[in-house]
Amino acid sequence: NAGVTQTPKFQVLKTGQSMTLQCAQDMNHEYMSWYRQDPGMGLRLIHYSVGAGITDQGEVPNGYNVSRSTTEDFPLRLLSAAPSQTSVYFCASSYARTGDSYEQYFGPGTRLTVT
Amino acid sequence: AQSVAQPEDQVNVAEGNPLTVKCTYSVSGNPYLFWYVQYPNRGLQFLLKYITGDNLVKGSYGFEAEFNKSQTSFHLKKPSALVSDSALYFCAVRPSPFYNQGGKLIFGQGTELSVKP
Repeated sequence: NAGVTQTPKFQVLKTGQSMTLQCAQDMNHEYMSWYRQDPGMGLRLIHYSVGAGITDQGEVPNGYNVSRSTTEDFPLRLLSAAPSQTSVYFCASSYARTGDSYEQYFGPGTRLTVT
Repeated sequence: AQSVAQPEDQVNVAEGNPLTVKCTYSVSGNPYLFWYVQYPNRGLQFLLKYITGDNLVKGSYGFEAEFNKSQTSFHLKKPSALVSDSALYFCAVRPSPFYNQGGKLIFGQGTELSVKP
Protein backbone atom coordinates (compact mmCIF):
# COMPACT_ATOMS: atom_id res chain seq x y z
CA ASN A 1 0.00 0.00 0.00
CA ALA A 2 1.20 3.52 -0.78
CA GLY A 3 -0.90 4.88 2.11
CA VAL A 4 -1.79 8.55 1.78
CA THR A 5 -0.07 10.41 -1.03
CA GLN A 6 -0.02 14.15 -1.66
CA THR A 7 1.13 16.20 -4.61
CA PRO A 8 2.89 18.51 -5.05
CA LYS A 9 5.43 18.52 -2.20
CA PHE A 10 6.21 22.20 -2.64
CA GLN A 11 4.36 25.03 -4.39
CA VAL A 12 4.81 28.77 -4.73
CA LEU A 13 1.82 30.84 -5.83
CA LYS A 14 1.25 34.50 -6.46
CA THR A 15 -1.63 36.23 -4.70
CA GLY A 16 -4.86 35.64 -6.58
CA GLN A 17 -3.77 32.45 -8.33
CA SER A 18 -5.75 29.25 -7.89
CA MET A 19 -4.52 25.72 -7.56
CA THR A 20 -5.51 22.24 -6.46
CA LEU A 21 -3.65 20.16 -3.88
CA GLN A 22 -4.07 16.48 -4.61
CA CYS A 23 -4.61 13.75 -2.03
CA ALA A 24 -5.17 10.05 -2.59
CA GLN A 25 -5.35 6.99 -0.36
CA ASP A 26 -5.42 3.30 -1.22
CA MET A 27 -6.69 1.91 2.10
CA ASN A 28 -10.40 2.15 1.28
CA HIS A 29 -10.89 4.65 4.11
CA GLU A 30 -14.25 6.36 4.29
CA TYR A 31 -12.99 9.42 6.15
CA MET A 32 -10.61 11.94 4.61
CA SER A 33 -9.62 15.36 5.82
CA TRP A 34 -7.40 18.34 5.15
CA TYR A 35 -5.45 20.16 7.85
CA ARG A 36 -3.16 23.13 7.77
CA GLN A 37 -0.20 23.37 10.11
CA ASP A 38 1.09 26.73 11.26
CA PRO A 39 3.78 27.34 13.91
CA GLY A 40 2.39 27.32 17.46
CA MET A 41 -1.13 26.52 16.29
CA GLY A 42 -1.03 22.76 15.86
CA LEU A 43 -3.16 21.32 13.10
CA ARG A 44 -6.41 22.98 12.16
CA LEU A 45 -9.10 21.16 10.24
CA ILE A 46 -10.06 22.78 6.92
CA HIS A 47 -12.60 20.36 5.39
CA TYR A 48 -13.46 16.73 5.81
CA SER A 49 -15.45 13.98 4.14
CA VAL A 50 -17.10 10.86 5.57
CA GLY A 51 -17.58 9.26 2.18
CA ALA A 52 -17.87 9.84 -1.54
CA GLY A 53 -20.25 12.70 -2.26
CA ILE A 54 -20.24 13.94 1.36
CA THR A 55 -18.12 16.85 2.55
CA ASP A 56 -18.32 19.29 5.44
CA GLN A 57 -16.47 22.29 6.79
CA GLY A 58 -13.92 22.16 9.53
CA GLU A 59 -12.48 24.90 11.69
CA VAL A 60 -10.93 27.09 8.98
CA PRO A 61 -12.77 26.50 5.66
CA ASN A 62 -12.73 30.01 4.16
CA GLY A 63 -10.85 30.26 0.89
CA TYR A 64 -10.86 26.52 0.27
CA ASN A 65 -13.15 24.13 -1.61
CA VAL A 66 -13.25 20.35 -1.63
CA SER A 67 -15.11 17.59 -3.43
CA ARG A 68 -15.15 13.81 -3.03
CA SER A 69 -16.20 12.05 -6.20
CA THR A 70 -14.40 8.79 -5.32
CA THR A 71 -13.41 7.02 -2.12
CA GLU A 72 -9.72 7.34 -3.02
CA ASP A 73 -9.34 11.05 -3.88
CA PHE A 74 -9.96 14.22 -1.92
CA PRO A 75 -8.55 17.31 -3.67
CA LEU A 76 -8.31 20.69 -1.95
CA ARG A 77 -8.81 23.76 -4.11
CA LEU A 78 -7.53 27.22 -3.29
CA LEU A 79 -9.83 29.59 -5.11
CA SER A 80 -7.79 32.82 -4.97
CA ALA A 81 -4.57 32.39 -3.01
CA ALA A 82 -3.71 34.85 -0.25
CA PRO A 83 -0.49 35.22 1.78
CA SER A 84 -2.44 34.06 4.86
CA GLN A 85 -2.72 30.66 3.18
CA THR A 86 1.03 30.15 3.34
CA SER A 87 1.24 26.96 5.37
CA VAL A 88 1.95 23.25 5.33
CA TYR A 89 -1.07 21.24 4.28
CA PHE A 90 -1.68 17.66 5.38
CA CYS A 91 -4.23 15.21 4.12
CA ALA A 92 -5.33 12.39 6.41
CA SER A 93 -7.61 9.39 6.18
CA SER A 94 -9.16 6.80 8.47
CA TYR A 95 -11.94 4.28 8.76
CA ALA A 96 -15.22 5.76 9.90
CA ARG A 97 -17.28 2.75 10.80
CA THR A 98 -18.82 2.42 14.24
CA GLY A 99 -16.49 0.44 16.47
CA ASP A 100 -13.30 1.35 14.65
CA SER A 101 -10.62 3.13 16.60
CA TYR A 102 -10.15 5.87 14.02
CA GLU A 103 -6.43 6.52 14.10
CA GLN A 104 -5.69 8.72 11.13
CA TYR A 105 -3.00 8.15 8.55
CA PHE A 106 -1.26 11.27 7.29
CA GLY A 107 0.28 12.16 3.98
CA PRO A 108 3.77 13.72 3.76
CA GLY A 109 2.42 17.25 3.35
CA THR A 110 2.47 20.07 0.81
CA ARG A 111 4.45 23.18 1.68
CA LEU A 112 2.68 26.16 0.10
CA THR A 113 4.04 29.69 -0.11
CA VAL A 114 1.88 32.55 -1.38
CA THR A 115 3.73 35.73 -2.32
CA ALA B 1 -15.68 24.67 23.66
CA GLN B 2 -13.90 21.40 23.12
CA SER B 3 -10.14 21.71 23.24
CA VAL B 4 -6.81 20.02 23.80
CA ALA B 5 -3.94 21.70 25.61
CA GLN B 6 -0.26 20.89 25.60
CA PRO B 7 1.07 23.28 28.25
CA GLU B 8 4.73 23.04 27.25
CA ASP B 9 5.97 24.34 23.92
CA GLN B 10 9.30 22.58 24.48
CA VAL B 11 10.61 19.79 26.68
CA ASN B 12 14.35 19.23 27.10
CA VAL B 13 15.65 15.90 28.39
CA ALA B 14 19.05 14.26 28.66
CA GLU B 15 19.49 10.96 26.86
CA GLY B 16 18.73 8.04 29.17
CA ASN B 17 16.45 10.07 31.43
CA PRO B 18 12.69 9.55 31.59
CA LEU B 19 10.52 11.95 29.63
CA THR B 20 6.97 13.21 29.98
CA VAL B 21 5.02 15.29 27.48
CA LYS B 22 1.81 16.64 28.97
CA CYS B 23 -1.67 16.79 27.48
CA THR B 24 -5.00 17.80 28.97
CA TYR B 25 -8.35 17.88 27.24
CA SER B 26 -11.79 19.39 27.59
CA VAL B 27 -14.39 17.47 25.60
CA SER B 28 -17.81 16.00 26.19
CA GLY B 29 -18.51 12.31 26.49
CA ASN B 30 -15.90 9.60 26.59
CA PRO B 31 -13.15 10.67 24.22
CA TYR B 32 -10.77 8.63 22.13
CA LEU B 33 -7.24 9.95 22.78
CA PHE B 34 -4.21 9.80 20.51
CA TRP B 35 -0.54 10.75 20.36
CA TYR B 36 1.23 11.48 17.10
CA VAL B 37 4.87 12.29 16.35
CA GLN B 38 6.19 14.49 13.56
CA TYR B 39 9.81 14.34 12.46
CA PRO B 40 11.22 17.33 10.51
CA ASN B 41 9.66 17.77 7.06
CA ARG B 42 7.51 14.68 7.49
CA GLY B 43 3.84 13.94 8.06
CA LEU B 44 2.41 12.84 11.39
CA GLN B 45 2.91 9.27 12.53
CA PHE B 46 0.55 7.51 14.91
CA LEU B 47 2.17 6.53 18.24
CA LEU B 48 -0.60 5.20 20.47
CA LYS B 49 -4.24 5.55 21.45
CA TYR B 50 -6.60 5.14 24.38
CA ILE B 51 -10.11 3.95 23.63
CA THR B 52 -11.18 2.07 26.73
CA GLY B 53 -9.81 -0.34 29.33
CA ASP B 54 -6.41 -0.17 31.03
CA ASN B 55 -5.42 3.42 31.75
CA LEU B 56 -1.81 2.77 30.75
CA VAL B 57 -1.43 2.20 27.04
CA LYS B 58 1.74 1.19 25.24
CA GLY B 59 2.67 2.27 21.76
CA SER B 60 5.44 2.45 19.22
CA TYR B 61 9.15 3.10 19.94
CA GLY B 62 8.80 2.36 23.68
CA PHE B 63 6.34 5.16 24.36
CA GLU B 64 3.40 4.81 26.71
CA ALA B 65 0.66 7.12 27.91
CA GLU B 66 -1.47 7.28 31.01
CA PHE B 67 -5.13 8.21 30.82
CA ASN B 68 -6.46 9.99 33.92
CA LYS B 69 -10.17 10.65 33.69
CA SER B 70 -10.46 12.72 36.87
CA GLN B 71 -7.66 15.04 35.74
CA THR B 72 -8.70 14.86 32.06
CA SER B 73 -5.10 14.19 31.14
CA PHE B 74 -3.29 11.87 28.76
CA HIS B 75 0.44 12.36 29.34
CA LEU B 76 3.00 10.71 27.08
CA LYS B 77 5.92 8.99 28.77
CA LYS B 78 9.05 7.04 28.03
CA PRO B 79 11.33 5.50 30.68
CA SER B 80 14.60 6.23 28.87
CA ALA B 81 14.84 8.92 26.19
CA LEU B 82 16.88 8.58 23.01
CA VAL B 83 18.37 11.36 20.89
CA SER B 84 16.31 9.95 18.01
CA ASP B 85 13.12 10.73 19.98
CA SER B 86 13.68 14.43 19.29
CA ALA B 87 10.62 15.55 17.31
CA LEU B 88 7.33 17.42 17.53
CA TYR B 89 4.62 15.58 19.48
CA PHE B 90 0.89 16.16 19.13
CA CYS B 91 -1.90 15.07 21.40
CA ALA B 92 -5.30 14.66 19.74
CA VAL B 93 -8.79 13.81 20.88
CA ARG B 94 -11.84 12.50 19.09
CA PRO B 95 -14.76 13.67 21.20
CA SER B 96 -18.13 12.00 21.88
CA PRO B 97 -17.91 8.97 19.66
CA PHE B 98 -21.65 8.51 19.50
CA TYR B 99 -22.26 11.98 18.09
CA ASN B 100 -19.08 12.46 16.12
CA GLN B 101 -19.07 10.75 12.78
CA GLY B 102 -15.97 9.71 11.01
CA GLY B 103 -13.08 10.39 13.29
CA LYS B 104 -12.75 14.17 13.33
CA LEU B 105 -9.82 15.02 15.59
CA ILE B 106 -8.98 18.04 17.71
CA PHE B 107 -5.22 18.59 18.03
CA GLY B 108 -3.12 20.29 20.67
CA GLN B 109 -0.60 22.88 19.52
CA GLY B 110 2.33 20.48 19.75
CA THR B 111 5.34 20.06 22.05
CA GLU B 112 8.89 20.08 20.72
CA LEU B 113 10.91 17.36 22.45
CA SER B 114 14.67 17.80 22.45
CA VAL B 115 16.84 14.97 23.75
CA LYS B 116 20.52 15.85 24.24
CA PRO B 117 23.32 13.28 24.42
